[in-house]
Amino acid sequence: EPEVTQTPSHQVTQMGQEVILRCVPISNHLYFYWYRQILGQKVEFLVSFYNNEISEKSEIFDDQFSVERPDGSNFTLKIRSTKLEDSAMYFCASRFPPGTGVYEQYFGPGTRLTVT
Amino acid sequence: QQQVKQSPQSLIVQKGGISIINCAYENTAFDYFPWYQQFPGKGPALLIAIRPDVSEKKEGRFTISFNKSAKQFSLHIMDSQPGDSATYFCAIPTGANNLFFGTGTRLTVIP
Repeated sequence: EPEVTQTPSHQVTQMGQEVILRCVPISNHLYFYWYRQILGQKVEFLVSFYNNEISEKSEIFDDQFSVERPDGSNFTLKIRSTKLEDSAMYFCASRFPPGTGVYEQYFGPGTRLTVT
Repeated sequence: QQQVKQSPQSLIVQKGGISIINCAYENTAFDYFPWYQQFPGKGPALLIAIRPDVSEKKEGRFTISFNKSAKQFSLHIMDSQPGDSATYFCAIPTGANNLFFGTGTRLTVIP
């Protein structure tokens, strides 16, 4: 069964450093998302990406964040200068494009980001 | 401002019992209501979803019931098993098809 994959599973970084989290969405999915989950809390939307551009972003997704689809399979989230409060699980998700009538989003296993 | 109220926050059920989790929402971009199951350290896994051309959808032991006029939907887990012990999130679609999640329900099924 196709699944979303994410690397690394755990990333430890120092405050102020840049990190890149990587995702490989499900093949044939064209709508991509990043969500985050602070330990013990709910899942929060960060950004959606479709047709090589950001479709929507939340208030959390400030200028320190960026997303990119560098090739036909990867989707990345970059945090330019990490803060302690960026420590969380980051989940990538994907779905079929709009107009297909298929709304289901499938999540990856997540990257645990620890900022020290 | 999107609001999703999920209850209860935690739930303890005996093996074989029925687990019921509720969500109430204020607005939704369109009528699609998924439930996600999350085990510790794992990503949310789509469990079951409903598009309310019907008021109820059943998949195995899991059933979604939907009340459009009340803006509520619920997850029923029949014959609950210890392996069902997880955190369950409801979600509603907002904006450009992103999901707004409820606060989660931690279910514990006692053998």
